[in-house]
Formats: sequence, C-alpha cells, structure tokens
Amino acid sequence: DGGITQSPKYLFRKEGQNVTLSCEQNLNHDAMYWYRQDPGQGLRLIYYSQIVNDFQKGDIAEGYSVSREKKESFPLTVTSAQKNPTAFYLCASSIDRWGNQPQHFGDGTRLSIL
Amino acid sequence: QKEVEQNSGPLSVPEGAIASLNCTYSDRGSQSFFWYRQYSGKSPELIMFIYSNGDKEDGRFTAQLNKASQYVSLLIRDSQPSDSATYLCAVNKNTGFQKLVFGTGTRLLVSP
Repeated sequence: DGGITQSPKYLFRKEGQNVTLSCEQNLNHDAMYWYRQDPGQGLRLIYYSQIVNDFQKGDIAEGYSVSREKKESFPLTVTSAQKNPTAFYLCASSIDRWGNQPQHFGDGTRLSIL
Repeated sequence: QKEVEQNSGPLSVPEGAIASLNCTYSDRGSQSFFWYRQYSGKSPELIMFIYSNGDKEDGRFTAQLNKASQYVSLLIRDSQPSDSATYLCAVNKNTGFQKLVFGTGTRLLVSP
C-alpha cells in the first residue's frame, strides 16, 4: 500500500528539548515537504527537498532542521530554539519537483508543549 | 494583500444544492491550482487540480480557472453532509520549483 507515513501521531515536548518527527514515503517521489498548520491558518512551508541530499528553507525555517539522506525519508527536528512549536505538522511528497503535479499528505503529527 | 485569499465561511448549503467555493490569487505567473479537502483534525486530501483556463469536471466536482481575473473556484454538485469540511485552495507559484501557497480555507457546512 503506497503512501506517506508520519509518526508519531501525537508528540509532547518539554522545555529545552529537541524532538524529531518522522516522515517516510514509498511512492518513489523525488520531492518532499514539511508544513506547519496553526488553528484557522493555512499551511506554511518549513522546509522542502527536491532530491536526496539536498534541502532548502521554506518560509518559516527558524527553529527547525531536516535531513534527506534517503529518498524515502525526510525527518523534521523541532529544536528548543522554536519558541512556539505547538501546531499540526504535515509532511507531503510530490513526484514532480518542479512543476505541476499535486502534493500528497501524510496523516500529520500534533505537537504540544508540556 | 494575501497571496491566496479565500472566504473563511462558513458557507452553509442544504443537501442536494450546489456549493460554490472561491479563491483569488495575486501572482499572475502562477501555473497550477489545487483544491484540497480537510476534515476537522485530519490532513488535507487532494480533490482536484487545474492548469488551463476553463472548467475541469470530475464526478460531482468542477474546478474553474480564470487566469485573467486571477480566480479559481470549486463547484460541488448535489452536496452531501459528508462534504462538510474545510476546502483549501493552493497555488503553485512560478518559481522554478514547486512551491504551493495555501489559502486559509473555506468551511463548508451541508445540512440534511
């Protein structure tokens, strides 16, 4: 069954702690993306990767880091520098890194502060 | 001006009616346009995408694009209570790579 798997579904972060959100896809897609969604707001791009071993900052990258060592995997680390991390985090992928093919989303991870 | 604008709603329609959801965008160079449906607490699900001016139909859904007016819409015919959700419009800016800009979404309520 092809798709995008995000884990965990819920995550709690303590003060000063870094946490890592997992995103794995078996769709053989080149491009992968991380978004953040706050209540009543649209999705905002955190980081994206067009190809293995390459990634770029999105609109709100401060306090986050990523890696893309394998085509299937694009983990997101929320560092202690991100002062307001409570949000719904969505990972997406697309077969087409340049243009017009749609992005498909995983089920998301809800991150909260303890 | 926001890059992608949608009326937040809620848009209330009775079951069986046509729901019309609208979206405007600011970047004239935008090339592709997507509609996603998002149920409360869930992730967005692709409904339709459109690249060319005119209409594109898929079952009960029709996407309409007017690049001159920088306007894209989604029509849902024979609306069902299960269509009640937030509909997100996303626009691919012409930046040389795929960067989607999302509107804040329109909440649709279909009453039985």
